[in-house]
Amino acid sequence: QQQVRQSPQSLTVWEGETAILNCSYEDSTFDYFPWYWQFPRESPALLIAIRPVSNKKEDGRFTIFFNKREKKLSLHITDSQPGDSATYFCAASASSGSWQLIFGSGTQLTVMP
Amino acid sequence: GPKVLQIPSHQIIDMGQMVTLNCDPVSNHLYFYWYKQILGQQMEFLVNFYNGKVMEKSKLFKDQFSVERPDGSYFTLKIQPTALEDSAVYFCASSLEGLNTEVFFGKGTRLTVV
Repeated sequence: QQQVRQSPQSLTVWEGETAILNCSYEDSTFDYFPWYWQFPRESPALLIAIRPVSNKKEDGRFTIFFNKREKKLSLHITDSQPGDSATYFCAASASSGSWQLIFGSGTQLTVMP
Repeated sequence: GPKVLQIPSHQIIDMGQMVTLNCDPVSNHLYFYWYKQILGQQMEFLVNFYNGKVMEKSKLFKDQFSVERPDGSYFTLKIQPTALEDSAVYFCASSLEGLNTEVFFGKGTRLTVV
């Protein structure tokens, strides 16, 4: 049973467009949602994270929109650049005692110049 | 930024043999993790280690698996004996604090059991 789901599996946009990556979850106790990105042959690295006290988190061109009622969140990348091409992982965890980060299966983003 | 180093990047081993995956976590971090990723699937939590003890392990952390960090050196994952289904990329990670904080990952060790 996948607790964190991502869509689409792959996404191609042109440079300058907005890329939208989707994530949904099942466990209502999740209260921390980091997004990691991973470039080929590199480590996954934290890009941006949100906690449910807010429904939006912005960091430059990257914005997380969070809908607690629907258990959905999305990562918007505005003015996409070829350097943004990577695999993006949505993850979730709960502060109720588990140490696990539950990862989605990732969205492979390609930004065409 | 802080780096988690994993050695080696790729290891091939015969089924039934023992393998040790090594991880050099970020120097001042206190919490250590192993994740497993089968090709094309998501990363899955194996185990968390803190203060010399396993804090939590998942059902993927079979009896053949063990972790340790002797004398603050490498954080290791040992599999003995290995099985074909252990073939995967194993990511080591560390964090300064515990729950819901930034976790830093290594590049992974690709383990192939033949």
